Amino acid sequence: AQSVTQLGSHVSVSEGALVLLRCNYSSSVPPYLFWYVQYPNQGLQLLLKYTSAATLVKGINGFEAEFKKSETSFHLTKPSAHMRDAAEYFCAVSGLGSGNTGKLIFGQGTTLQVKP
Amino acid sequence: DTAVSQTPKYLVTQMGNDKSIKCEQNLGHDTMYWYKQDSKKFLKIMFSYNNKELIINETVPNRFSPKSPDKAHLNLHINSLELGDSAVYFCASSQVEGASRAFFGQGTRLTVV
Repeated sequence: AQSVTQLGSHVSVSEGALVLLRCNYSSSVPPYLFWYVQYPNQGLQLLLKYTSAATLVKGINGFEAEFKKSETSFHLTKPSAHMRDAAEYFCAVSGLGSGNTGKLIFGQGTTLQVKP
Repeated sequence: DTAVSQTPKYLVTQMGNDKSIKCEQNLGHDTMYWYKQDSKKFLKIMFSYNNKELIINETVPNRFSPKSPDKAHLNLHINSLELGDSAVYFCASSQVEGASRAFFGQGTRLTVV
């Protein structure tokens, strides 16, 4: 079985500060891990994904995430927050379990607030 | 061109009615999905079709019936709507091989009154 836990439903940072959004996963098979962003009243947009090629994954808009197997974590970071980064962020896991249907299992989401 | 498009974007209807949401993808993907996002923004898969064949049905009430006329379309029909069905419904598509990214539609906000 697979699951995802995002620590912190709401994160607030100042513009220019470091962004750190936490994600821990549970998976009995090698996982594929994703971060999606949802802007208000919009669909989900992929920020980055981990597919076992490299543990440090760079995504769009200056975001990156590091896969740490020993900690079962895939935290999302950005060195300097911008006002436009304010959105809902979702960590998700998929994998080879259940015949690799491509099904995404999402965390509960983290709302990122960026203060001027 | 929109990769995954759903219609309508907003849907307000009364309890007991039957409604449909349509989804189309122009990416040539083999697999399409319906996800439900509740009022707390939690996302959960409902259904998945691969080449018009149902492969995931996540214990959704049988009032919900997906239909895939071809692999580019996956519609969601809901009978006898209930207040608890109010949510945002997202359609998505992907190629299942490896860790192919899923592309999401803009969502349909369903409000049952």
